[in-house]
Amino acid sequence: SQTIHQWPATLVQPVGSPLSLECTVEGTSNPNLYWYRQAAGRGLQLLFYSVGIGQISSEVPQNLSASRPQDRQFILSSKKLLLSDSGFYLCAWSYSSYEQYFGPGTRLTVT
Amino acid sequence: GESVGLHLPTLSVQEGDNSIINCAYSNSASDYFIWYKQESGKGPQFIIDIRSNMDKRQGQRVTVLLNKTVKHLSLQIAATQPGDSAVYFCAENESGGSNYKLTFGKGTLLTVNP
Repeated sequence: SQTIHQWPATLVQPVGSPLSLECTVEGTSNPNLYWYRQAAGRGLQLLFYSVGIGQISSEVPQNLSASRPQDRQFILSSKKLLLSDSGFYLCAWSYSSYEQYFGPGTRLTVT
Repeated sequence: GESVGLHLPTLSVQEGDNSIINCAYSNSASDYFIWYKQESGKGPQFIIDIRSNMDKRQGQRVTVLLNKTVKHLSLQIAATQPGDSAVYFCAENESGGSNYKLTFGKGTLLTVNP
């Protein structure tokens, strides 16, 4: 069966510090991968998606970047965090369908 | 079930009652719809999906209804239980392409009172 992992679960970082969030998927090959951000009490905003290694599409202009160095690894990064980067970050995968499976999320607080 | 300002729409029901959560979607070209359940501090979980060639689909204690004429989707939960308390999101596909992108609604908070 497929599983998706995200770490860390929670993170508190000062403004201006770098960020690296990791997402890995097990039990499937060549999945589509997605990064979402969810502000408190709001819906899910798609940040990036990837259909293959090294292929990243950005949905919104922002302070963040994404990379896919391996087939089942998706990384969300920032060189300098802003207060507005605080939120709940969710990674998801899909495979030849619209049904997406979500990870447990990372709660990021920028102070 | 679309949010107004910063506040999620909320639905409060008594345990054992039936719940109906509504969602208006925007893209008349969408042909696939999903309902997700998100408990506090967790990632969304798939509940049920429906394709545009159907107007009703049933699962275990849940039913999704699709009205393409008015672009409306609803989720019915029978005999609502405290464990059903969560935020519920509808999502529609962006048809075409190989990226399988979804557009999510803003969610509805369901509170089940014992």
